[in-house]
Amino acid sequence: QKEVEQNSGPLSVPEGAIASLNCTYSDRGSQSFFWYRQYSGKSPELIMSIYSNGDKEDGRFTAQLNKASQYVSLLIRDSQPSDSATYLCAVNTGGFKTIFGAGTRLFVKA
Amino acid sequence: DVKVTQSSRYLVKRTGEKVFLECVQDMDHENMFWYRQDPGLGLRLIYFSYDVKMKEKGDIPEGYSVSREKKERFSLILESASTNQTSMYLCASSSGGEGTEAFFGQGTRLTVV
Repeated sequence: QKEVEQNSGPLSVPEGAIASLNCTYSDRGSQSFFWYRQYSGKSPELIMSIYSNGDKEDGRFTAQLNKASQYVSLLIRDSQPSDSATYLCAVNTGGFKTIFGAGTRLFVKA
Repeated sequence: DVKVTQSSRYLVKRTGEKVFLECVQDMDHENMFWYRQDPGLGLRLIYFSYDVKMKEKGDIPEGYSVSREKKERFSLILESASTNQTSMYLCASSSGGEGTEAFFGQGTRLTVV
């Protein structure tokens, strides 16, 4: 069974701090990795994708991928209350199938 | 902007009813997906389609079927609804080849009573 594991949280950080979200996956052949944000009662929206080892930055968001250790992380700098949501890690294990983690709930306290 | 539209936001059906969930995308995407989302379980793939009239089973296809007669429309069918199919159903689409990001519809909260 191919799996994607995330800490369910909640992760609570003060406003302005760095939030660090982690994800591990079991299939070494995975090539595509995604972070989605999902507000309560809403559908997931893509915020980052990463395909190669290292860091990828987009504004306040940085995705980090380490294929040897089979983990992918998301850093949110200068966290804002509007960042409070559930963050879903998704991994494409080949073909058209993408496996989603159960998500980490993030709370940013004002 | 990519737009994926699901026909209903909330739906209440009785046990044993045949239920249709409709999804339409307007970006000419080849691939379309149906997921269900349950607390603590994340998104689980029910069925997907990579071309018109083509369909593949996902991880939890039992009790469901799908139809894709036109490229922009992907329907999920619950042949005989049961209470364990109460869930949030999410449709998604993606373009290009394997491993591309998905764009989601707003979701349908289905309750089977």
